[in-house]
Amino acid sequence: GMPVEQNPPALSLYEGADSGLRCNFSTTMKSVQWFQQNHRGRLITLFYLAQGTKENGRLKSTFNSKERYSTLHIKDAQLEDSGTYFCAAEAGGGSGNKLIFGTGTLLSVKP
Amino acid sequence: EAAVTQSPRSKVAVTGGKVTLSCHQTNNHDYMYWYRQDTGHGLRLIHYSYVADSTEKGDIPDGYKASRPSQENFSLILELASLSQTAVYFCASSAGLGGQNTLYFGAGTRLSVL
Repeated sequence: GMPVEQNPPALSLYEGADSGLRCNFSTTMKSVQWFQQNHRGRLITLFYLAQGTKENGRLKSTFNSKERYSTLHIKDAQLEDSGTYFCAAEAGGGSGNKLIFGTGTLLSVKP
Repeated sequence: EAAVTQSPRSKVAVTGGKVTLSCHQTNNHDYMYWYRQDTGHGLRLIHYSYVADSTEKGDIPDGYKASRPSQENFSLILELASLSQTAVYFCASSAGLGGQNTLYFGAGTRLSVL
């Protein structure tokens, strides 16, 4: 299978709702990053995690290397949260520390 | 002010023609990258560079060349453009290689090969 599987592929939320996105890895990854791509196509780095949990405002991300997954939790969704969210994992070792991207989750936040 | 600038923002090319995509960064970063984005594939790494006058192959380098004439500039060259190279291309820079180094992306170049 794909080294980085992201789900769901698409998600629709109403303003104020909470939800989570998930990435599963086929092998042990060294770290994970989460990106948001907005409606103009701009990619913005949200989080880098080598382990544990980080929070930034209404966003929280967790990375569990041993269990091979990472999550991005969005609290109190706002219209501006709409976009595509990508996780990217760093395999380390012989991969040369390059990032492997998931296929993204398209998030639509509705009023 | 954008620190990673790509040009052109969009381009239509003919099959078999030569295409050059340019990227300029003012982050003073050593590492620069070219990715392509296709629907259903996320981003895939084409070439990257960690020093001027040197480039490295990424995961999908076939059909592409790269050039890093200076720390600030990194170009992606399609010598013979093909239909399959229609995609959105992103340039990025980072201070180092490895996930702890934040990637800063350009706005993307939408390439259509006809």
